Amino acid sequence: ETGVTQTPRHLVMGMTNKKSLKCEQHLGHNAMYWYKQSAKKPLELMFVYSLEERVENNSVPSRFSPECPNSSHLFLHLHTLQPEDSALYLCASSQELDGYEQYFGPGTRLTVT
Amino acid sequence: AQSVTQLDSQVPVFEEAPVELRCNYSSSVSVYLFWYVQYPNQGLQLLLKYLSGSTLVESINGFEAEFNKSQTSFHLRKPSVHISDTAEYFCAVTGPYNTNAGKSTFGDGTTLTVKP
Repeated sequence: ETGVTQTPRHLVMGMTNKKSLKCEQHLGHNAMYWYKQSAKKPLELMFVYSLEERVENNSVPSRFSPECPNSSHLFLHLHTLQPEDSALYLCASSQELDGYEQYFGPGTRLTVT
Repeated sequence: AQSVTQLDSQVPVFEEAPVELRCNYSSSVSVYLFWYVQYPNQGLQLLLKYLSGSTLVESINGFEAEFNKSQTSFHLRKPSVHISDTAEYFCAVTGPYNTNAGKSTFGDGTTLTVKP
Protein backbone atom coordinates (compact mmCIF):
# COMPACT_ATOMS: atom_id res chain seq x y z
CA GLU A 1 0.00 0.00 0.00
CA THR A 2 1.17 3.48 -0.75
CA GLY A 3 -0.05 6.94 0.19
CA VAL A 4 -2.99 7.29 2.53
CA THR A 5 -5.55 4.53 2.89
CA GLN A 6 -8.94 4.63 4.57
CA THR A 7 -11.30 1.86 5.62
CA PRO A 8 -14.10 1.23 5.19
CA ARG A 9 -14.84 3.10 1.97
CA HIS A 10 -18.57 3.03 2.63
CA LEU A 11 -20.43 2.76 5.93
CA VAL A 12 -24.12 2.78 6.77
CA MET A 13 -24.96 2.96 10.45
CA GLY A 14 -27.95 3.57 12.64
CA MET A 15 -28.06 6.37 15.15
CA THR A 16 -27.48 4.01 18.07
CA ASN A 17 -24.51 2.17 16.56
CA LYS A 18 -20.83 2.52 17.39
CA LYS A 19 -18.34 2.29 14.58
CA SER A 20 -14.79 3.39 13.80
CA LEU A 21 -13.11 4.82 10.73
CA LYS A 22 -9.50 3.92 10.13
CA CYS A 23 -6.79 5.85 8.34
CA GLU A 24 -3.23 4.73 7.67
CA GLN A 25 -0.45 6.69 6.00
CA HIS A 26 2.59 5.03 4.45
CA LEU A 27 4.51 8.25 3.83
CA GLY A 28 6.44 8.69 7.07
CA HIS A 29 4.57 11.91 7.82
CA ASN A 30 4.29 13.46 11.28
CA ALA A 31 0.92 15.22 10.99
CA MET A 32 -2.52 13.74 10.35
CA TYR A 33 -5.96 15.29 9.89
CA TRP A 34 -9.66 14.43 9.81
CA TYR A 35 -11.97 16.46 7.54
CA LYS A 36 -15.70 16.32 6.94
CA GLN A 37 -16.94 16.99 3.41
CA SER A 38 -20.68 17.51 3.07
CA ALA A 39 -22.57 18.28 -0.11
CA LYS A 40 -22.93 22.02 -0.74
CA LYS A 41 -20.65 22.88 2.19
CA PRO A 42 -16.96 23.77 2.45
CA LEU A 43 -14.42 21.26 3.65
CA GLU A 44 -14.47 21.24 7.47
CA LEU A 45 -11.34 20.52 9.46
CA MET A 46 -12.23 18.36 12.46
CA PHE A 47 -9.01 17.29 14.15
CA VAL A 48 -5.27 17.74 13.72
CA TYR A 49 -2.57 15.52 15.21
CA SER A 50 1.16 16.16 15.23
CA LEU A 51 3.46 13.38 16.46
CA GLU A 52 0.43 11.65 17.97
CA GLU A 53 -0.61 14.71 19.98
CA ARG A 54 -3.86 16.48 19.22
CA VAL A 55 -3.14 20.09 18.34
CA GLU A 56 -6.52 21.15 17.03
CA ASN A 57 -10.08 20.28 17.93
CA ASN A 58 -12.40 22.38 15.87
CA SER A 59 -15.50 22.45 18.09
CA VAL A 60 -16.48 18.99 16.98
CA PRO A 61 -19.36 17.28 18.87
CA SER A 62 -18.27 14.67 21.39
CA ARG A 63 -20.01 11.92 19.42
CA PHE A 64 -16.85 12.04 17.27
CA SER A 65 -13.79 10.80 19.14
CA PRO A 66 -10.36 10.70 17.46
CA GLU A 67 -7.49 8.43 18.37
CA CYS A 68 -3.90 8.51 17.13
CA PRO A 69 -1.98 5.52 18.56
CA ASN A 70 1.11 6.25 16.45
CA SER A 71 2.16 8.61 13.68
CA SER A 72 0.98 6.23 10.95
CA HIS A 73 -2.54 5.51 12.17
CA LEU A 74 -5.55 7.67 12.89
CA PHE A 75 -9.00 6.55 13.97
CA LEU A 76 -12.33 8.32 14.23
CA HIS A 77 -14.69 6.62 16.67
CA LEU A 78 -18.36 7.30 16.06
CA HIS A 79 -21.30 6.84 18.42
CA THR A 80 -24.91 8.02 18.57
CA LEU A 81 -24.57 9.97 15.34
CA GLN A 82 -27.26 12.11 13.75
CA PRO A 83 -28.48 12.00 10.15
CA GLU A 84 -26.77 15.35 9.50
CA ASP A 85 -23.46 13.63 10.19
CA SER A 86 -23.81 11.80 6.87
CA ALA A 87 -20.88 12.97 4.75
CA LEU A 88 -17.57 11.99 3.20
CA TYR A 89 -14.89 11.79 5.89
CA LEU A 90 -11.43 12.44 4.59
CA CYS A 91 -8.15 11.67 6.28
CA ALA A 92 -4.98 13.50 5.29
CA SER A 93 -1.35 13.61 6.31
CA SER A 94 1.53 16.02 5.83
CA GLN A 95 5.23 15.86 6.51
CA GLU A 96 4.97 18.49 9.22
CA LEU A 97 2.37 21.04 10.25
CA ASP A 98 4.18 24.06 8.92
CA GLY A 99 3.44 24.89 5.31
CA TYR A 100 3.48 21.44 3.77
CA GLU A 101 0.96 20.08 1.32
CA GLN A 102 -1.47 17.45 2.52
CA TYR A 103 -1.97 14.00 1.08
CA PHE A 104 -5.53 12.78 1.22
CA GLY A 105 -7.04 9.34 1.43
CA PRO A 106 -10.04 8.36 -0.74
CA GLY A 107 -12.48 8.98 2.09
CA THR A 108 -15.20 7.04 3.87
CA ARG A 109 -18.73 7.71 2.65
CA LEU A 110 -20.83 7.61 5.84
CA THR A 111 -24.62 7.39 5.84
CA VAL A 112 -26.46 7.65 9.15
CA THR A 113 -29.98 6.26 9.06
CA ALA B 1 -7.16 34.78 10.65
CA GLN B 2 -6.97 33.61 7.10
CA SER B 3 -9.66 33.03 4.49
CA VAL B 4 -10.01 31.83 0.92
CA THR B 5 -12.61 32.85 -1.63
CA GLN B 6 -13.12 30.94 -4.83
CA LEU B 7 -15.06 33.33 -6.97
CA ASP B 8 -16.83 30.81 -9.20
CA SER B 9 -18.72 27.80 -7.89
CA GLN B 10 -19.20 26.30 -11.36
CA VAL B 11 -17.23 26.78 -14.57
CA PRO B 12 -18.52 25.07 -17.73
CA VAL B 13 -16.17 25.13 -20.69
CA PHE B 14 -15.77 23.36 -24.01
CA GLU B 15 -12.92 20.96 -24.68
CA GLU B 16 -9.71 22.61 -25.89
CA ALA B 17 -10.82 26.03 -24.63
CA PRO B 18 -8.77 27.96 -22.05
CA VAL B 19 -9.96 28.17 -18.48
CA GLU B 20 -9.25 30.27 -15.39
CA LEU B 21 -10.40 29.33 -11.89
CA ARG B 22 -10.16 32.30 -9.56
CA CYS B 23 -8.94 32.28 -5.98
CA ASN B 24 -8.46 35.20 -3.61
CA TYR B 25 -7.12 34.93 -0.09
CA SER B 26 -6.69 37.09 2.96
CA SER B 27 -4.14 36.68 5.70
CA SER B 28 -2.25 38.86 8.14
CA VAL B 29 0.96 36.86 7.63
CA SER B 30 2.84 35.38 4.73
CA VAL B 31 1.20 32.26 3.40
CA TYR B 32 1.70 29.14 1.39
CA LEU B 33 -0.85 28.54 -1.38
CA PHE B 34 -2.11 25.33 -2.92
CA TRP B 35 -4.50 24.05 -5.54
CA TYR B 36 -6.02 20.61 -5.04
CA VAL B 37 -8.19 18.60 -7.44
CA GLN B 38 -10.86 16.09 -6.47
CA TYR B 39 -12.17 13.59 -9.01
CA PRO B 40 -15.51 11.85 -8.33
CA ASN B 41 -15.40 9.34 -5.46
CA GLN B 42 -11.82 10.21 -4.60
CA GLY B 43 -9.92 12.29 -2.07
CA LEU B 44 -8.16 15.55 -2.87
CA GLN B 45 -4.86 15.47 -4.76
CA LEU B 46 -2.28 18.24 -4.81
CA LEU B 47 -2.19 19.96 -8.20
CA LEU B 48 0.42 22.64 -7.51
CA LYS B 49 1.80 24.81 -4.73
CA TYR B 50 3.46 28.14 -4.08
CA LEU B 51 5.83 28.34 -1.13
CA SER B 52 8.35 30.98 -2.22
CA GLY B 53 10.46 32.02 -5.20
CA SER B 54 9.00 32.28 -8.68
CA THR B 55 5.42 33.49 -8.57
CA LEU B 56 4.41 31.29 -11.49
CA VAL B 57 4.08 27.61 -10.64
CA GLU B 58 3.18 24.78 -12.98
CA SER B 59 1.78 21.28 -12.69
CA ILE B 60 2.74 18.27 -14.79
CA ASN B 61 -0.62 18.19 -16.58
CA GLY B 62 -0.58 21.70 -18.04
CA PHE B 63 -2.13 23.76 -15.24
CA GLU B 64 -0.37 26.83 -13.91
CA ALA B 65 -1.08 29.35 -11.19
CA GLU B 66 0.38 32.76 -10.48
CA PHE B 67 0.83 34.20 -7.02
CA ASN B 68 -0.05 37.89 -7.01
CA LYS B 69 0.75 39.38 -3.64
CA SER B 70 -0.63 42.85 -4.35
CA GLN B 71 -3.98 41.43 -5.45
CA THR B 72 -3.86 38.56 -2.94
CA SER B 73 -4.79 36.14 -5.67
CA PHE B 74 -3.68 32.70 -6.83
CA HIS B 75 -5.69 32.01 -9.98
CA LEU B 76 -5.43 28.65 -11.74
CA ARG B 77 -5.20 28.53 -15.53
CA LYS B 78 -4.94 26.03 -18.33
CA PRO B 79 -4.64 27.06 -21.99
CA SER B 80 -6.50 24.05 -23.37
CA VAL B 81 -8.66 21.74 -21.24
CA HIS B 82 -9.55 18.08 -21.77
CA ILE B 83 -12.63 16.11 -20.83
CA SER B 84 -10.53 14.40 -18.16
CA ASP B 85 -10.02 17.74 -16.37
CA THR B 86 -13.65 17.63 -15.24
CA ALA B 87 -13.40 17.69 -11.44
CA GLU B 88 -13.75 19.82 -8.32
CA TYR B 89 -10.87 22.22 -7.69
CA PHE B 90 -9.98 23.61 -4.27
CA CYS B 91 -7.73 26.53 -3.43
CA ALA B 92 -6.10 26.39 0.01
CA VAL B 93 -3.91 28.64 2.13
CA THR B 94 -1.68 27.66 5.04
CA GLY B 95 0.08 30.00 7.40
CA PRO B 96 3.20 29.28 9.42
CA TYR B 97 2.67 26.96 12.39
CA ASN B 98 3.38 29.65 14.97
CA THR B 99 0.45 31.73 13.75
CA ASN B 100 -2.21 29.24 12.79
CA ALA B 101 -1.09 25.81 13.92
CA GLY B 102 -0.18 25.08 10.30
CA LYS B 103 -3.88 24.70 9.60
CA SER B 104 -4.99 24.89 5.98
CA THR B 105 -8.06 26.91 5.05
CA PHE B 106 -9.85 25.64 1.97
CA GLY B 107 -12.09 27.49 -0.44
CA ASP B 108 -15.57 26.24 -1.18
CA GLY B 109 -14.43 24.62 -4.41
CA THR B 110 -15.05 25.23 -8.11
CA THR B 111 -16.66 22.57 -10.24
CA LEU B 112 -15.02 22.51 -13.66
CA THR B 113 -17.11 20.76 -16.29
CA VAL B 114 -15.50 20.23 -19.68
CA LYS B 115 -17.96 19.56 -22.46
CA PRO B 116 -17.17 17.92 -25.82
